[in-house]
Formats: sequence, C-alpha cells, structure tokens
Amino acid sequence: EIVMTQSPDTLSVSPGERATLSCRASQGVDSNLAWYQQKPGQAPRLIIYGASTRATGIPARFSGSGSGTEFTLTISSLQSEDFAVYYCQQYDGWPPRITFGPGTKVDIK
Amino acid sequence: EVQLVQSGAEVKKPGESLKISCKTSGYSFGSYWIGWVRQMPGKGLEWLGVIFPTDSDTRYSPSFRGQVSISADRSIATAYLEWRSLRASDTAMYYCVKQHLEYTSHFDFDFWGQGTLVTVSS
Repeated sequence: EIVMTQSPDTLSVSPGERATLSCRASQGVDSNLAWYQQKPGQAPRLIIYGASTRATGIPARFSGSGSGTEFTLTISSLQSEDFAVYYCQQYDGWPPRITFGPGTKVDIK
Repeated sequence: EVQLVQSGAEVKKPGESLKISCKTSGYSFGSYWIGWVRQMPGKGLEWLGVIFPTDSDTRYSPSFRGQVSISADRSIATAYLEWRSLRASDTAMYYCVKQHLEYTSHFDFDFWGQGTLVTVSS
C-alpha cells in the first residue's frame, strides 16, 4: 500500500497570507495526485487533480505542483472561505489502490 | 447538473445488515466508475472501493474486501454499499463519489454525495 503523509498537521495563517501544504508518497505515483478541501459538516471538494490542474470552478489562488513522491498545494492569498482541512490522495496504478493522506488543517492565525 | 443524492442516516445494532444508496443524475452513469469513501468521526478519508456500472467490474481496497459489498443498478443510475453484519467500528460517514474523467484509470473524484451517517450501537 502506498502511504501518504502530509505536513504540517495544522497550519495557522492570517487572511491574505500564503499557505504551503506538503504531501509525500511512500513510493512514486507519477502525477496521479489530487487535493481535496473539506469544511466542517460538508463533503470534500476536488481542488487539484493530476498534481497541478485546477478542478472546475477553483480559483487561481490555488496551485499544485510536484510529481513522483513530493507534492505541494499552495494557496497564494488566503481568503476566509479557504480555512478548512486539505487532503491529498494518490490514484496511481491498476488495479486501483487509492489512498488518502491524513489531512492538514488550515486555520486562522 | 451532476447530483449524487444518498439515502438517509441509519442507526443499527451490531450484527444487523444494511444497504445504503446513492442516486445519481446529470451524467452518463455507465461511463464513469463510482465508489465509496469512509470518514470515521473526527478522522480522515478512507477509500472502500469502486464499481464500473456498465459491466459491474468492482474493485475493493484490501482493507475493506470481504467487509462490504458494492453494487450498482444502471436502470435507475444508483450505486449501493452493503454490509451483511455490522460492527460498532463501522460507525462513520460514508460518501459516494464519482470518477472525474471517464474511460480512464484515474480515480480522482469530482462529485461527492452529501454523506450517509451510519451509527452502529447496541
């Protein structure tokens, strides 16, 4: 099983500041990496797929980068609606062996 | 508009069976894998498995194979998640999820149901 780790566990950021979240895979997953945002009481929402492509309707302040084992989600200027938990997910290979990271909580500093 | 509408919350006793549903609309049900994701209280996301409704090809996470069954009914564009014998540890929110890109082996999920809370308690 590919194990996903995320850092930090919690990131405290002031509105308007930049947030950088990290995700690491225990083995290479090429660019088969997605990021999701989850707010309390809501289902997760797809933010980034293919490591760096924004999903439909996602603002340009969200960007993803990386390939192989190291990935980054950057939120360039945090807005109030961006405070949430962010999960990375790998979907490399066949048959599917999908795994999620444990999440990073972005909260208000 | 794509929609995944799940059945309502359930309260069950250990050992009971349960089948929850995910009614879809707004896209070609047979063209995309559809799956299930578990979220235990206060915890992260875990993938249970996916099914391709056209041929019912079903793939499970090794952690959940034999614990749950996934099925789909193309005639009503609905997917199901079933337990034969529930345990207290099955208490969680369960989300159905739609594959983002059709006819690929890429399993990112662009639409999620609202979740079904399953509580198992004696």
